[in-house]
Amino acid sequence: DIQMTQSPPSLSASLGDKVTITCQASQNINKYIAWYQQKPGKAPRQLIRYTSTLVSGTPSRFSGSGSGRDYSFSISNVESEDIASYYCLQYDNLPTFGGGTKLELK
Amino acid sequence: EVQLQESGPGLVKPSQSLSLTCSVTGYSITSNYWGWIRKFPGNKMEWMGYISYSGSTSYNPSLKSRISITRDTSKNQFFLQLNSVTTEDTATYYCARSRDFAYWGQGTLVTVSS
Repeated sequence: DIQMTQSPPSLSASLGDKVTITCQASQNINKYIAWYQQKPGKAPRQLIRYTSTLVSGTPSRFSGSGSGRDYSFSISNVESEDIASYYCLQYDNLPTFGGGTKLELK
Repeated sequence: EVQLQESGPGLVKPSQSLSLTCSVTGYSITSNYWGWIRKFPGNKMEWMGYISYSGSTSYNPSLKSRISITRDTSKNQFFLQLNSVTTEDTATYYCARSRDFAYWGQGTLVTVSS
């Protein structure tokens, strides 16, 4: 199994801040990583696929980058609607998720 | 637009089987991949398995002895069966489309308890 180490587990930000979440895979995942936003009681919503491709409807303040084993996800200019949990998923091999990051307002 | 909807019992007794249905509208399950994912109370997410457009299946090795995913193409539904459940199988269960889970159902909470 490919392990995905996501950090930090929680993040506190002010409105307008830039925040970054990282995921490190236990082996090369060839850019097959997606990022999801989940709000309480709702299904996860895919924001980014294949490292950096924004899914239709994803605001441009969200971005992704990386290669090999190391990947990052950023939100520039955090807005109140961005308060949620975020997960990475590798789908190069049998899918595995990161542990999640809870984004809160400072 | 593709929509997925999970259904099934919300309470299952230990040692019994958990059975869920995912009903799909707006897209044929004979295309793409269709998966089951669960989220535990501690927020860990786990991919359980998927069934492909051809009907072939792939399962999480940690569940391989207990899981079965099948489908009914005439109803555009696919199914999850998890055998010999314990309290550790308590989770919110989601169905999703494609290998990168681009579309999800709303999820259904299943509690395993006597």
